Amino acid sequence: QQPVQSPQAVILREGEDAVINCSSSKALYSVHWYRQKHGEAPVFLMILLKGGEQKGHDKISASFNEKKQQSSLYLTASQLSYSGTYFCGTERKNRDDKIIFGKGTRLHILP
Amino acid sequence: NAGVTQTPKFQVLKTGQSMTLQCAQDMNHNSMYWYRQDPGMGLRLIYYSASEGTTDKGEVPNGYNVSRLNKREFSLRLESAAPSQTSVYFCASSLNRFSGNTIYFGEGSWLTVV
Repeated sequence: QQPVQSPQAVILREGEDAVINCSSSKALYSVHWYRQKHGEAPVFLMILLKGGEQKGHDKISASFNEKKQQSSLYLTASQLSYSGTYFCGTERKNRDDKIIFGKGTRLHILP
Repeated sequence: NAGVTQTPKFQVLKTGQSMTLQCAQDMNHNSMYWYRQDPGMGLRLIYYSASEGTTDKGEVPNGYNVSRLNKREFSLRLESAAPSQTSVYFCASSLNRFSGNTIYFGEGSWLTVV
């Protein structure tokens, strides 16, 4: 039931782009994206509610393919501050209010 | 606003001891959650409460009990702690059960069972 994230870890140089994928075996109602810095609580990035919806702010955006039950997070021209672990959280279409998170993708940005 | 407040922040327990993690939110949210985080496992849902007076099991409920004391407070109890329960525990809340709303996390509680 836990969504599957890929890759597990990414190392980039500042200015490079990254894509983090999240897929589920169940039909989804929503996908949440969070970033967590070491020793801190996860922080909200964005929620996608509709199939095909794309959202973004600054140079971080995401898409949601409802038919494929997949979401992708795009980080463009990465900055040092983007380092951390990214989690996707999914809620199923049965709206049982459970928000289940993937195991996370560790992103490390080198100067 | 304080947001989601958890106590204690750090705790060491001996195997077999019991303890309660307290959580309170001041955002008038209806839904509250308890997650545990272990290296390589991500955030796993222990229990959640969609509204005052209701609680439901998540992915890993064994060894835990919860109480939704009122709309603000949602506590997590370990009746007989085991070393496998060594983890970081996060309480979280969101506006309502129909999701589409941001989940706000507390700062975490580091629990070690020896």
